Amino acid sequence: EPEVTQTPSHQVTQMGQEVILRCVPISNHLYFYWYRQILGQKVEFLVSFYNNEISEKSEIFDDQFSVERPDGSNFTLKIRSTKLEDSAMYFCASTTEKNIQYFGAGTRLSVL
Amino acid sequence: AQSVSQHNHHVILSEAASLELGCNYSYGGTVNLFWYVQYPGQHLQLLLKYFSGDPLVKGIKGFEAEFIKSKFSFNLRKPSVQWSDTAEYFCAVIPTGRRALTFGSGTRLQVQP
Repeated sequence: EPEVTQTPSHQVTQMGQEVILRCVPISNHLYFYWYRQILGQKVEFLVSFYNNEISEKSEIFDDQFSVERPDGSNFTLKIRSTKLEDSAMYFCASTTEKNIQYFGAGTRLSVL
Repeated sequence: AQSVSQHNHHVILSEAASLELGCNYSYGGTVNLFWYVQYPGQHLQLLLKYFSGDPLVKGIKGFEAEFIKSKFSFNLRKPSVQWSDTAEYFCAVIPTGRRALTFGSGTRLQVQP
């Protein structure tokens, strides 16, 4: 069964550093998403991406965040200057037009 | 903005017991509804979904859910749980025409053998 893959599984960084989280969506999917889950809290939507542009974003997705699809397979989330409160599990998802979202295993980001 | 409430945060059952997990949402328009499961150490997996039609939907592994529009509810059920059902269960909503999932806070189910 096709899977969404995310790397790395765990990323440790210093406050103020830039991080890039990587995702390989399922190959024939058209829509891509990032969500995050801070420890003990709900899974929260960050951004959706379609046709090489952001189609929807939440209030969390401020200027510190950016997404990119640099080639035909990868989908990345960049955090420019990490803060302690960015520590969370970040999930990538992808879907066809039917909007059944398939999730990756997540990247645990720890900001020290 | 829409929201999703899962009232049971932690449920402990014995094998063969019946399960019902509550999910209520607040949104005035039409919605698509989902239950996802996350087994320990694994990714979120779709259990079942409701888009339209029969409000009683069946998913994988013997799970089912019933959409009751008048109660804004989408409760998950299973007649007889197994130890392998130990996991965290998330209810989620997408308003029709949107793409972002809104999740509930999750219910941790622990099934004791």
